[in-house]
Amino acid sequence: DGGITQSPKYLFRKEGQNVTLSCEQNLNHDAMYWYRQDPGQGLRLIYYSQIVNDFQKGDIAEGYSVSREKKESFPLTVTSAQKNPTAFYLCASSGPLGQVNTEAFFGQGTRLTVV
Amino acid sequence: GQQVMQIPQYQHVQEGEDFTTYCNSSTTLSNIQWYKQRPGGHPVFLIQLVKSGEVKKQKRLTFQFGEAKKNSSLHITATQTTDVGTYFCAEPHNAGNNRKLIWGLGTSLAVNP
Repeated sequence: DGGITQSPKYLFRKEGQNVTLSCEQNLNHDAMYWYRQDPGQGLRLIYYSQIVNDFQKGDIAEGYSVSREKKESFPLTVTSAQKNPTAFYLCASSGPLGQVNTEAFFGQGTRLTVV
Repeated sequence: GQQVMQIPQYQHVQEGEDFTTYCNSSTTLSNIQWYKQRPGGHPVFLIQLVKSGEVKKQKRLTFQFGEAKKNSSLHITATQTTDVGTYFCAEPHNAGNNRKLIWGLGTSLAVNP
């Protein structure tokens, strides 16, 4: 089945540790996105990428880093510099490049808790 | 910058009552997408509206795009408990090859059985 997979679903980390969230898609989509969602809040864009080896900062990129070495994969690292990392993280994809206004497909999300 | 305002933030209804959420922009929207997120779940695409004055229906859901393309609404007739969740509108923003969605804050719907 085609889809977008995030792992793990739940993640616990100690304060001060970096943690990497996985996002893989087999939809052949060019664009991939990372969002953060806090309880009762909307979606805030962290980083996004349109093509391999290229990505842009979103609205709340500070304390996060990404890479896009493969079309299928867009991992997000939550660094120790992120002051409030506990949140629900959603990865999405859309595409292909050249098709505008396509809908976003989301992964199941990773709920990160930092203690 | 671009903003999409969505109201109300919360809505609590009795099962069988109708529900409407509104999405407004100060600028003309290129088009508008609607998503539903169930509690604990992820957003799922519902529909995209493109044309001025467009109306689309999906069973008990009716989606409208304003004539001036500055607002949109989602109306649910005779709500059911399965309608519970948060409904988001989003505008596709394309700048060159940079594509992203500008999201409303969502309307959370609670339905009393």
